[in-house]
Amino acid sequence: NAGVTQTPKFQVLKTGQSMTLQCAQDMNHEYMSWYRQDPGMGLRLIHYSVGAGITDQGEVPNGYNVSRSTTEDFPLRLLSAAPSQTSVYFCASSHGQGPIAGELFFGEGSRLTVL
Amino acid sequence: QKEVEQDPGPLSVPEGAIVSLNCTYSNSAFQYFMWYRQYSRKGPELLMYTYSSGNKEDGRFTAQVDKSSKYISLFIRDSQPSDSATYLCAMITSGTYKYIFGTGTRLKVLA
Repeated sequence: NAGVTQTPKFQVLKTGQSMTLQCAQDMNHEYMSWYRQDPGMGLRLIHYSVGAGITDQGEVPNGYNVSRSTTEDFPLRLLSAAPSQTSVYFCASSHGQGPIAGELFFGEGSRLTVL
Repeated sequence: QKEVEQDPGPLSVPEGAIVSLNCTYSNSAFQYFMWYRQYSRKGPELLMYTYSSGNKEDGRFTAQVDKSSKYISLFIRDSQPSDSATYLCAMITSGTYKYIFGTGTRLKVLA
């Protein structure tokens, strides 16, 4: 059972380039989300989705796009990379049933450097 | 002011010590409280979960919530070098999907 799989694990971009971070889960979870983790800032929610075709913004959505065409996949797109987007990105999913989203299962992270 | 405050550490303790990790929060609407453990260069994993004031035990770990003081704690008894990690508190209000995480406390248990 793979859980939450993120690719790539490492990426270096130049300012202005675009790229997509991939996230896939095989647990049939309805809820998926993207966080960024920066020193001294903790984990901050970028975007989340409660099911295929449904997405919403988190705390720091600017500069990022998401879509959810299937239950399994939730890619994060950087439209025009900026040095401020240098960070470690985590994808997380949960079954999302009941009054709260439930236990979050995290991927291993994608380390992005923007020069 | 951040909604959740957590001392970043680092915290170094000898093996066998009792460790106390804490978070304070400002939003009284938070109802569910979690502790995640994150090893270096890995994703966080859920350690403890509680939704009411009081204590919850799981082996060497005890989670404590004081909603009146807006304060949560994680106690680790008989700490081991394998407990060396960053511990993040997280909280959420009922009916939402927006978890709020603390900045994490880095713990090092010395053998």
